[in-house]
Amino acid sequence: RKEVEQDPGPFNVPEGATVAFNCTYSNSASQSFFWYRQDCRKEPKLLMSVYSSGNEDGRFTAQLNRASQYISLLIRDSKLSDSATYLCAVGAYNDMRFGAGTRLTVKP
Amino acid sequence: ETGVTQTPRHLVMGMTNKKSLKCEQHLGHNAMYWYKQSAKKPLELMFVYNFKEQTENNSVPSRFSPECPNSSHLFLHLHTLQPEDSALYLCASSHGRRNTEAFFGQGTRLTVV
Repeated sequence: RKEVEQDPGPFNVPEGATVAFNCTYSNSASQSFFWYRQDCRKEPKLLMSVYSSGNEDGRFTAQLNRASQYISLLIRDSKLSDSATYLCAVGAYNDMRFGAGTRLTVKP
Repeated sequence: ETGVTQTPRHLVMGMTNKKSLKCEQHLGHNAMYWYKQSAKKPLELMFVYNFKEQTENNSVPSRFSPECPNSSHLFLHLHTLQPEDSALYLCASSHGRRNTEAFFGQGTRLTVV
């Protein structure tokens, strides 16, 4: 079983659509959770942290379910500029593991 | 000045060459990481250094040799690589004591010929 698993994708959606990504993790000792965005041939960049209480940043909402060991990312009113690969990251004591990433393409 | 800087950005090397990748962070972090990203594969954690001590070696072949002389610098020494080692090598750093996010350098795109 992979340590961090994500939706296989790719997701192709029209502008304005709402899209959701899920990610499951196997290490119950995990303590930190993040979503990263990676553009083509660039390094991953932090999109947002994920907290147990859930958190929202504009059109982006992240949630954590510790009992079921999954995190989610919801993007509302998607823009062309949201096209990228989204990586979930799960950390335990400086050992941060990433999912394979889900490719999102937003089309006009 | 970017937080995490990697050099070189691109590297082509033969299988008998020896080269080194360099990473420098200006964020005051104490943990540094090497990741490998191959096409259509997840980021693979290779090595972790925490306060200059190697705390993780993720079953990486000995042809990859890390070095961390201080908390701000991290090297990856390469020798007798194979074509399948061609990938994007990413350095990252994080705070070290707290479970905070990792910040990445721009990566070195390595091609082994």
